[in-house]
Amino acid sequence: GAVVSQHPSWVICKSGTSVKIECRSLDFQATTMFWYRQFPKQSLMLMATSNEGSKATYEQGVEKDKFLINHASLTLSTLTVTSAHPEDSSFYICSATVAGSPLHFGNGTRLTVT
Amino acid sequence: GQQLNQSPQSMFIQEGEDVSMNCTSSSIFNTWLWYKQDPGEGPVLLIALYKAGELTSNGRLTAQFGITRKDSFLNISASIPSDVGIYFCAGPYGGATNKLIFGTGTLLAVQP
Repeated sequence: GAVVSQHPSWVICKSGTSVKIECRSLDFQATTMFWYRQFPKQSLMLMATSNEGSKATYEQGVEKDKFLINHASLTLSTLTVTSAHPEDSSFYICSATVAGSPLHFGNGTRLTVT
Repeated sequence: GQQLNQSPQSMFIQEGEDVSMNCTSSSIFNTWLWYKQDPGEGPVLLIALYKAGELTSNGRLTAQFGITRKDSFLNISASIPSDVGIYFCAGPYGGATNKLIFGTGTLLAVQP
């Protein structure tokens, strides 16, 4: 079945630094990937839609200059949290779609900003 | 905006019991998806529903797409300890097939 891989699975960084999270579709080409954020004991909230070869579409309230998304190939999308602050600490999850099939999710990245 | 409310918020049951949970929406959905999330992992798709009234099973799990298209139900029969986790309903929004909104979640705990 379709596999989506995220890296790293967890990361700790200092406040003010930037962190890059990778999302790869391992056995299929994903024209669209989605980035979600999940705070403790809460549901998944869509941050942005990542389209290969074009600019990402951000949901209302998500700062595009803070959460940089690059989808340079059909198998890789990256999310960079710039100038991270403690309130950015969260569980970031990507998903990828194959045409006509439901989403497949990665295993998430736990970001802790100290 | 659209919201998906799940009930109950949490359930604590004995192994072997049956479980029922539901998801309601303020607007109509054309697809309902049920996911399970284990701690520290991404959600895994359990069942997908595409037609009002549809009843679909996946092993001990059965889900139904409500006739009004504003609700869906998930049942788990003969629960086992590995059923522990958070169950989310989800549906597409914004006109995109795979742009999902997730429900508030139901936490299931199973006592061996």
